[in-house]
Amino acid sequence: RKEVEQDPGPFNVPEGATVAFNCTYSNSASQSFFWYRQDCRKEPKLLMSVYSSGNEDGRFTAQLNRASQYISLLIRDSKLSDSATYLCVLLSGGYNKLIFGAGTRLAVHP
Amino acid sequence: GAVVSQHPSRVICKSGTSVKIECRSLDFQATTMFWYRQFPKKSLMLMATSNEGSKATYEQGVEKDKFLINHASLTLSTLTVTSAHPEDSSFYICSAPGRLNTEAFFGQGTRLTVV
Repeated sequence: RKEVEQDPGPFNVPEGATVAFNCTYSNSASQSFFWYRQDCRKEPKLLMSVYSSGNEDGRFTAQLNRASQYISLLIRDSKLSDSATYLCVLLSGGYNKLIFGAGTRLAVHP
Repeated sequence: GAVVSQHPSRVICKSGTSVKIECRSLDFQATTMFWYRQFPKKSLMLMATSNEGSKATYEQGVEKDKFLINHASLTLSTLTVTSAHPEDSSFYICSAPGRLNTEAFFGQGTRLTVV
């Protein structure tokens, strides 16, 4: 079983829509989680960290469910510029290695 | 924020040749750097951890003799793809952990095409 699993999508949504991505992880000892955004042929960029209590940054809300071992990202009022691949990432134990999911592709259309 | 510079951004080489990719931390010292590979529509796969002053740690299934890693200084790590083959064509990207070890600074990536 992969350490991090995501629905690859693509999610095709109109501007202004609300869209949610889920991600599941297999290692219950994982402590730190992140959402990264990757544009085509570019390096990943940190979108936001995911905290146990849930956190919000503008139109983006991230949540963590440790009991079910999944993480979610909610994007409200989608913009064309939100089109990208969203990577679910966790920090591997004490090695400070980032483990990436395969990513979920989002396409926002006019 | 911290910047990691990776060079070259794109390279095309012939089968059998070697390609060196450099990753530099520009405004901080990186005792550790991570090298990833990403195939189209796939996730970033960690290949190895580069450690300044000691040997790199390779992930399972990664050939250390094929992917030579050298961490020559606190600001430079290099990955050399030796005797490249078309199946080595991929997007290679380095990252350095930030001070808090919960963040990562990525290089811009290198798109390698072996013909």
